[in-house]
Amino acid sequence: NAGVMQNPRHLVRRRGQEARLRCSPMKGHSHVYWYRQLPEEGLKFMVYLQKENIIDESGMPKERFSAEFPKEGPSILRIQQVVRGDSAAYFCASSPRTEGIGEQYFGPGTRLTVT
Amino acid sequence: AQKVTQAQTEISVVEKEDVTLDCVYETRDTTYYLFWYKQPPSGELVFLIRRNSFDEQNEISGRYSWNFQKSTSSFNFTITASQVVDSAVYFCAQYSSASKIIFGSGTRLSIRP
Repeated sequence: NAGVMQNPRHLVRRRGQEARLRCSPMKGHSHVYWYRQLPEEGLKFMVYLQKENIIDESGMPKERFSAEFPKEGPSILRIQQVVRGDSAAYFCASSPRTEGIGEQYFGPGTRLTVT
Repeated sequence: AQKVTQAQTEISVVEKEDVTLDCVYETRDTTYYLFWYKQPPSGELVFLIRRNSFDEQNEISGRYSWNFQKSTSSFNFTITASQVVDSAVYFCAQYSSASKIIFGSGTRLSIRP
């Protein structure tokens, strides 16, 4: 059973470009979470999605960031007009059920560098 | 509000020494879960342990052991006979509600040969 997959693993964007990060949850998992890890910091929750629904986006910056988890295909975290401060590692996690015990499986992360 | 504090930013020890990483958490929930993750230089997150709030038994797994004390809201992690491969950033984390895991800021552990 393949784990959570994220691609690309490394992404370089110039200021002002768009970044698209993809997350394929584990087979059978319909809940996806995105976390951001700024340099030298811990992970911070961004957004929680179920298929076709955003459940909790309390950690998402108000502008330029959006996330989706369509009925078919991977979850996408989209950052428009990237700035240097967006440089970070973005981790996706998936869960097989409505959360109750913190059973989230993390992907390897995407490292975004904005030049 | 939930919070996880890892007061030790960096620890450096010589190989074969024992080392303890501290973790203090805050929550108003009676049911919650605590975690430790390892992040080696390669960057991925390696799950180490999850404990629920009703189970205060200490746990040992090889050279790793965990001490959970509700009275002091602490969940400390000890590595016995440390090895160079233990060098990593270690994160303590908490989950109780709202479907999000709250991470501490991490402790960078360096094991010198």
